[in-house]
Amino acid sequence: GDSVTQMEGPVTLSEEAFLTINCTYTATGYPSLFWYVQYPGEGLQLLLKATKADDKGSNKGFEATYRKETTSFHLEKGSVQVSDSAVYFCALRRPDSSYKLIFGSGTRLLVRP
Amino acid sequence: EAQVTQNPRYLITVTGKKLTVTCSQNMNHEYMSWYRQDPGLGLRQIYYSMNVEVTDKGDVPEGYKVSRKEKRNFPLILESPSPNQTSLYFCASSLGQGAGEAFFGQGTRLTVV
Repeated sequence: GDSVTQMEGPVTLSEEAFLTINCTYTATGYPSLFWYVQYPGEGLQLLLKATKADDKGSNKGFEATYRKETTSFHLEKGSVQVSDSAVYFCALRRPDSSYKLIFGSGTRLLVRP
Repeated sequence: EAQVTQNPRYLITVTGKKLTVTCSQNMNHEYMSWYRQDPGLGLRQIYYSMNVEVTDKGDVPEGYKVSRKEKRNFPLILESPSPNQTSLYFCASSLGQGAGEAFFGQGTRLTVV
């Protein structure tokens, strides 16, 4: 079945460091891909998305590119801030089952001043 | 303001005592879902609804019930809660077939003792 695999956390970085969180997926067809962020005590918020191969999603300095050849959607940011500390979830949604998101296990990011 | 509202935010209950977690959205979305979040497992879909009176099982429906009598509300019912239902629960809504972003509530942390 469909699945999303994320790198294990926690990821601990110093402020202004470069961030990569790896995400790979298994799915039939051409899913849409998403990154959601969960700040402490809050629900999930959409961070960025991509709906087809080679699309790049971007928001708040974060970027991810839909790579069909490697079935990946890695999240990157050039310079993290303390306020980026959160849990990040990679997810996919198939066009024939758009009522359902399939999530990875989440990666906790801790940014130290 | 567009939002998904869940209540309560925190709940501690005893095994076997029926409970309901409410969810309401103000965006006139057709699709609504319930997810549970457990450490190392990400979010898993419990039930979903594609419209009023249309509901179906997700990946982990055992021990849960839902109803969709009005478009805006989608309560989650635990008829006889058990300790393995201790989890963080999220309600989500989205516009409908193939469309955009899912909006999440702030979560309900349930503890069953």
